[in-house]
This record gives sequence, structure tokens and C-alpha cells, in this order.
Amino acid sequence: AQSVTQPDIHITVSEGASLELRCNYSYGATPYLFWYVQSPGQGLQLLLKYFSGDTLVQGIKGFEAEFKRSQSSFNLRKPSVHWSDAAEYFCAVGAREYGNKLVFGAGTILRVKS
Amino acid sequence: GAVVSQHPSRVICKSGTSVKIECRSLDFQATTMFWYRQFPKQSLMLMATSNEGSKATYEQGVEKDKFLINHASLTLSTLTVTSAHPEDSSFYICSARGLELGEQYFGPGTRLTVT
Repeated sequence: AQSVTQPDIHITVSEGASLELRCNYSYGATPYLFWYVQSPGQGLQLLLKYFSGDTLVQGIKGFEAEFKRSQSSFNLRKPSVHWSDAAEYFCAVGAREYGNKLVFGAGTILRVKS
Repeated sequence: GAVVSQHPSRVICKSGTSVKIECRSLDFQATTMFWYRQFPKQSLMLMATSNEGSKATYEQGVEKDKFLINHASLTLSTLTVTSAHPEDSSFYICSARGLELGEQYFGPGTRLTVT
């Protein structure tokens, strides 16, 4: 069965520090990978996506993620966190073979301390 | 970028009544729309996949007679929660599949409270 694991429920980092959010997946097909961000009471905003090609993808707001097939991972990184990055982050996986339906991880809540 | 709207953003209804939530793709045509439910402090759970002009496909455990989905045009899908009960209170989010492979654009969500 398809599954997405975000092992960290909460992460707290200091403003200006670097950030890495982990995502591992189990999928029986060639995956499409996404990172979304959600502020409280809001919908989801797409940060970045990976379909194919270069395994290091750049997204909005200074985020990047690297697809590592051997590790079944798609970790999200940012070199310097801003207070406005505090939100919940979701990793999601989809595949054409599964009708492009997305399977979401449980989410990681990011807190930024000043 | 592609924009998806939802209406209403918040709704409170009495137990036993029905509520309709609209999902619109504002600047692109969406042949497929998805409906998700999100409980507090939890992830999104896919409820159903809606294809324009055909019946929706529901995920296992989702009551299709309770959550009626209509996708009558390439820019509009509706979710009707029929005979709502307090346990239906949740955050409902729709998404629309864009032109690129697999990419979904999400609406801002609708907070439903059933009293």
C-alpha cells in the first residue's frame, strides 16, 4: 500500500537557522512528490514538486527538496528560516498509475523562535 | 498561477439539514477535482475523486449517499453533506488537477460546524 511518513510531528528552529523536514514514502509506482504548506485555517499552498529529471528541485519562498530514490526520501530544506515560515508542512505522493490521487503524510508543525 | 476557490469559507448548520460546498477553478479548466476532509491536527484524507460529467469515485469508508458530489462543468464541483450530524463537523478542502501531470491546486477550505 502507498504510504508517506513524516517522522517529525513538531520541529522548532531559531529564526535564521537552517531547516530540514523529513519525508519517506512507500510506493509501488514511479512517484510524483510534493511539499505543501498550510497556515492555520487555510488551504494548502504548493511549495515545490518533483516529477522527473533533476533530483534537486527549487521551490517558492527559498525552499528546496532533494529526491533520493535509493532512500525513498524527499526531504525539504531551507538554509535560513524566517518567522513567517511557521506553519504545517505536508509531504504528498502521487502517481499516474493510481489516478494521480495524492497520499499525504501526517504533517510536520514548524515553530520558529526569535 | 492556478486559483481554486471554495464557498462558503465557514458554515454552521443544524443537525439533520444539508449543506452544499462549492469548489471552483477560477482560471483554468479542471477535468478532475478532489475532495478531502481534515480533522483537527490531522492530515488530509481523500474522500472522493470527481470527474467532469461522470459519477464521483469514493474512497473506501466514505458514504456516497451522505456526501453527494457533482461535477457538472470544467470549473465547478459541489459537495453536499446530507442530513448532517455533529460528527460531520470538519474542515473540507477541494483541489483541482491542473494541466501538468499530477499537480493539484487546493482551495482555501470550508469549515463546517454542525450543531
